Amino acid sequence: QLVLAQSPSASASLGASVKLTCTLTSGHSTYVIAWHQQQPGKGPRYLMKFNSDGSHSKGDGIPDRFSGSISGAERHLIISSLQSDDEADYYCQTWDTGIVIFGGGTKLTVL
Amino acid sequence: QVQLVQSGAEVKQPESSVKVSCKASGGTFNNYAISWVRQAPGQGLEWMGGIIPIAGTIHYAQKFQDRVTLTTDESTSTAYMELSSLRSEDTAVYFCARGEYFFGLDSYYNVGPITNWGQGTLVTVSS
Repeated sequence: QLVLAQSPSASASLGASVKLTCTLTSGHSTYVIAWHQQQPGKGPRYLMKFNSDGSHSKGDGIPDRFSGSISGAERHLIISSLQSDDEADYYCQTWDTGIVIFGGGTKLTVL
Repeated sequence: QVQLVQSGAEVKQPESSVKVSCKASGGTFNNYAISWVRQAPGQGLEWMGGIIPIAGTIHYAQKFQDRVTLTTDESTSTAYMELSSLRSEDTAVYFCARGEYFFGLDSYYNVGPITNWGQGTLVTVSS
């Protein structure tokens, strides 16, 4: 069964970097995912699509501070030079025939 | 600039239905998949279903299969989501979202990554 696992919470200091992880279930390690950001009280915003070869394409206006990496079944969202408005929930998304799946989301706190 | 503008908040009685609209601007309406995603208070994102207008293909999440209907009106670039037999647990913010589609193993077009989101519509179910 296709499932995306995310840690419920993460924290990092202002100006630092943080790596958020989304893990695909066994047998689905080559799947493409997308990352979305949801700031408090707002709707989600598309950040980037991340391919299994490590390449990615970003949404309009997404700064270079947001990048990604891959390690097996893990997809990482890396945010550098953290700013206060990076404090948000981050969701990964994947898809297959007839279905779209979201991870449970990671709440990022900027200290 | 892609924009998805949804209809306003609704308050509904249990067992009634709600229909939410989503008007798209920017880009060709038929060239994208439209998904509907809901978020209950304090919860995560839950995909309800998606429609690919150019192919006439619709996919529903199993949980909502019997209660949700997705349609589009290409003449006005508007997508609709109707949810019936409402219960209190359906109280949530409902988002429309636009994105890519792909040709699946089922020999139909399927919903892929979401790349734009609407602002959300709060639906409250209460007697």
